[in-house]
Amino acid sequence: DAGVTQSPTHLIKTRGQQVTLRCSPKSGHDTVSWYQQALGQGPQFIFQYYEEEERQRGNFPDRFSGHQFPNYSSELNVNALLLGDSALYLCASSKLAVLTDTQYFGPGTRLTVL
Amino acid sequence: RKEVEQDPGPFNVPEGATVAFNCTYSNSASQSFFWYRQDCRKEPKLLMSVYSSGNEDGRFTAQLNRASQYISLLIRDSKLSDSATYLCVVNPLNFGNEKLTFGTGTRLTIIP
Repeated sequence: DAGVTQSPTHLIKTRGQQVTLRCSPKSGHDTVSWYQQALGQGPQFIFQYYEEEERQRGNFPDRFSGHQFPNYSSELNVNALLLGDSALYLCASSKLAVLTDTQYFGPGTRLTVL
Repeated sequence: RKEVEQDPGPFNVPEGATVAFNCTYSNSASQSFFWYRQDCRKEPKLLMSVYSSGNEDGRFTAQLNRASQYISLLIRDSKLSDSATYLCVVNPLNFGNEKLTFGTGTRLTIIP
C-alpha cells in the first residue's frame, strides 16, 4: 500500500519564478492538505482540498494556489517566489468521512529560493 | 501569543532516563490533540493521540489538562532511537483530518 508521495524531492528556484509541487495521496484517501515548514519551525497549514475544491485555507497570500484532480492527487503552485518561501513543503492526506482519521504526511519537497 | 507553544529544547538526556515535554495551547475550543515525531529532514509521523483520560503506548504516556490548556508527553526508559523532534499538534475539531496547528517542536537527543 503506497503511502503519500511527493515530487520533486528537491527544487532550486530564483526570486520571482513560479513553482509547482505535486502530491499523490495514500490509497483510499480523498483529502489533501498542504503545509509549509520553515527551518526550525513546525509545519504551517496552507490549505486543504476535497472534491477538487479548496475547503480550508491558512494565513498565506494569494501567491499560493492549489488544485486537486479527479484522482485525488494535488498540486501546489507558488508564484513570484520570495526568499522567505524557502522551506520544506509537506503534503498530507486523509479520508474526510472517517472522523477519527488523522493525516498522513509525505516525505516533502525541499524548496530553495535564491 | 502563539496558538501552540512548546519549549524548543534541546533536551539532552542519558539513555534509560525519563523525559517529559509540555505544550500549551491558546484556543480553549480545541477538541483533539496529538503528538507527532519528526526525524531530521523527514516528514512528521503520528506518535499518539491525546485523550482527556490520558493514554499510554508502551514507554510513552500522554496527558491532557483542558482546564490549564496543556498537553504532556512522558517517555520512560529512553532509547537512542527516541532522538527526534516532538511536535505538539492541536485541532479545533473533534477529529484529526481538519487543519492541524503545530507547535515549533521540542528537540530531544538521547546520549549513550
